[in-house]
Amino acid sequence: QEKVQQSPESLIVPEGAMVSLNCSFSDSASQSIWWYQQHPGKGPKALISIFSNGNKKEGRLTVYLNRASLHVSLHIKDSQPSDSAVYLCAVSLNTGNYKYVFGAGTRLKVIA
Amino acid sequence: EAAVTQSPRNKVAVTGGKVTLSCNQTNNHNNMYWYRQDTGHGLRLIHYSYGAGSTEKGDIPDGYKASRPSQENFSLILELATPSQTSVYFCASGDAGFEQYFGPGTRLTVL
Repeated sequence: QEKVQQSPESLIVPEGAMVSLNCSFSDSASQSIWWYQQHPGKGPKALISIFSNGNKKEGRLTVYLNRASLHVSLHIKDSQPSDSAVYLCAVSLNTGNYKYVFGAGTRLKVIA
Repeated sequence: EAAVTQSPRNKVAVTGGKVTLSCNQTNNHNNMYWYRQDTGHGLRLIHYSYGAGSTEKGDIPDGYKASRPSQENFSLILELATPSQTSVYFCASGDAGFEQYFGPGTRLTVL
């Protein structure tokens, strides 16, 4: 059974700071990794995904994947109070049915 | 914009009662999913479906049944609700390998 661990559990940063969120997984054959953002009382919303080793940048977001170390990270540049949310890491299983296993999440608070 | 709706948004049930949570998607996605979210556990998969008429067990299916009568609708059924099933339930839809679109969630309390 794939296991997904996220760290830190929570994070408080000042507005404008660079935020780094971590996710480790147990199966190197996992197909893709997604990051979701969830605001209080809302459903998760996909932010960015990565399939291949290396990095991918979209706007203020950069994601790094290292399959050898089973680690993926999400970096948010110039953080804003509106970025305050729970961030979920989701790893797809290499079983052909595209199930995803989610981590417990990192709660981010950006203070103005 | 992909759309997933859930009903009811809030539900209070009694132990031993039957509860049905409904989900509708207008995205024409083949795959639909039911998750529950509890503090410290993140999202855990209960049941999923590849299309109308199909249901598959997820990682925590015990105590739950699912029904997919059409492409658009996917229901989660608790035949005999227990207090341990108190949680927030999310429905999602998505094409294989692509992002999942989530509904707003249903908060279920079993007394």
